[in-house]
Amino acid sequence: DGGITQSPKYLFRKEGQNVTLSCEQNLNHDAMYWYRQDPGQGLRLIYYSQIVNDFQKGDIAEGYSVSREKKESFPLTVTSAQKNPTAFYLCASSIWGSEGYTFGSGTRLTVV
Amino acid sequence: SQQGEEDPQALSIQEGENATMNCSYKTSINNLQWYRQNSGRGLVHLILIRSNEREKHSGRLRVTLDTSKKSSSLLITASRAADTASYFCATDGDLYSGAGSYQLTFGKGTKLSVIP
Repeated sequence: DGGITQSPKYLFRKEGQNVTLSCEQNLNHDAMYWYRQDPGQGLRLIYYSQIVNDFQKGDIAEGYSVSREKKESFPLTVTSAQKNPTAFYLCASSIWGSEGYTFGSGTRLTVV
Repeated sequence: SQQGEEDPQALSIQEGENATMNCSYKTSINNLQWYRQNSGRGLVHLILIRSNEREKHSGRLRVTLDTSKKSSSLLITASRAADTASYFCATDGDLYSGAGSYQLTFGKGTKLSVIP
């Protein structure tokens, strides 16, 4: 079955650590996105990529980094520079541009 | 960046009733989409309506779009307990106006509770 997989489902990070969230899709989608969701809030765009080896900052990119070395994969690294990383992180993909997105099931990151 | 705003923030109805949620946005768009999110899960795409469309149906869902008022509504008819979820509208930009973007901006959502 085609889909988008995020791992892990839950992640705990100590202060000062970098952590990497995985996002893999087998839908042959060109575009991939990372969003952050805080309780009772909407989604805020962190980074997006429209093609392999290219990515752009979203609205809240500070303290995050990404790579897009393969079409299928778009990992997100939450660095120690991100001062408030506890949140629900959602990865999405789309065939092109702003057509309907397919979302992963999310990773809940908690700083301990 | 532009953002859709849903109204109401929360809605509680009895099973079998209709549920209506509204979304307002700020600038011109190419399309508007509605998504559903069950608690602690990812979002699921429900329906997309383009700026040149006024109404669209999908099963028990009806979406309207009024570009002059920059607003949209999502109607769920004959609601079921399984419809309990948060519903988000998302907008892109009008690519030809120069304000467009290839990524979606989401509102804060309407939390719908359907009571059996």
